Formats: sequence, structure tokens, C-alpha cells
Amino acid sequence: EDQVTQSPEALRLQEGESSSLNCSYTVSGLRGLFWYRQDPGKGPEFLFTLYSAGEEKEKERLKATLTKKESFLHITAPKPEDSATYLCAVQTDSNYQLIWGAGTKLIIKP
Amino acid sequence: ETGVTQSPTHLIKTRGQQVTLRCSSQSGHNTVSWYQQALGQGPQFIFQYYREEENGRGNFPPRFSGLQFPNYSSELNVNALELDDSALYLCASSLEMEADTQYFGPGTRLTVL
Repeated sequence: EDQVTQSPEALRLQEGESSSLNCSYTVSGLRGLFWYRQDPGKGPEFLFTLYSAGEEKEKERLKATLTKKESFLHITAPKPEDSATYLCAVQTDSNYQLIWGAGTKLIIKP
Repeated sequence: ETGVTQSPTHLIKTRGQQVTLRCSSQSGHNTVSWYQQALGQGPQFIFQYYREEENGRGNFPPRFSGLQFPNYSSELNVNALELDDSALYLCASSLEMEADTQYFGPGTRLTVL
């Protein structure tokens, strides 16, 4: 069964303290892996798409990487405005549905 | 802003009632997907519409149904509401069925009492 697991469930960091969020997946065939950010009471906001192992993408303080079994979202020197829930989703090559993880709630304290 | 809007923002219904949620996609986006997101969980895929036809369905019963219209708007209908239907309902539009990027609306918070 296709499955996506995110860890940790929640992460509290001090402003400027770098860390990484993990997304591990088990799918029959990966078409793409997506990272989204979701603020409370809002819809997910697209961040990155990764297609193949070894691929990396960056946006401001965020960098996403992909291996054959997991993806990491690295956050460097975070600021309080980076506080949000970060969601990972995969799309298989058998259909276009997104299979989502439960998310990591990131809290950055000033 | 993604250009995707949803209405209403919040809705309270009682068990057994029926509800219609609405979504307006970005102009030119001919694919819309609907998701259910329970508190503290990731979104669960309900179904996808491509050019006004259902193009894929998740593990949801037939009482969840939808429509997509030529003007890039769509509806999610839920009959015989159950308490477990309480959730945030999200719609997401994309340019084409296989497009990588889905743009989400702000969601409709449905509470079933």
C-alpha cells in the first residue's frame, strides 16, 4: 500500500536554529514528491516538486532533497514567520492522486 | 494568493442533512481536485474532475459527489451528513490533469452536529 510518513509530528526551534524535517514514502512508482506549507485555517501553499533521487531545490531558507526512500526539508536560520505546518505528498505513476503525510508542525520562537 | 476561492468559509449542519460546497478555480485551469482534511491530518483525496468529468476517486462513499462547470467553478455535494464528515474541505485547481502544481483554495470548515 502506498504510504507517506512525516517526522517529527512537531518541532520547536529557536530563531536561527537550523534543522530538518523528514518525509519517508513507500510507493509502487514515484512520479513526483511535493512539499507544501499550510498556515492555520488556510489551504496548503506549494513550495517544491522533486522528481528523482539526488534532486535538490531551494527557496529562501528552505532546501528540499530527495532520495529513493525519503525527502528532507532543511530549514536554515529560521525566522518566526516560518512557523507553519509543512506537508509532504507523493504522486504515483499509476494515477494523478496525491497521497499526503500528516505534516510536521514547526514552531520558531523569537 | 492562488486565485482559487471557496464558499462558504464556515458551515454548520446537523447529521442527516445535505451540503453543497463551492469552488472557483483559476481561469484556464481545467482540472479540480477536492480533499477532506481532518484536524491534525493531511488532506485525503476525494475526487478529481477534468473537463467536467470525474477522473479519479479516493476511498469515499457515493454520498460524496461533485460537479465541474465550464466557467471553472465546481461543487462538492455531501448527502446524509455524518459526524465524521466534520473537516476542512479543500479544492485545488491545476492547469491540466497531469500538472504538477495544484493551487489550493482557503477551504470550507464544515461542522456536523
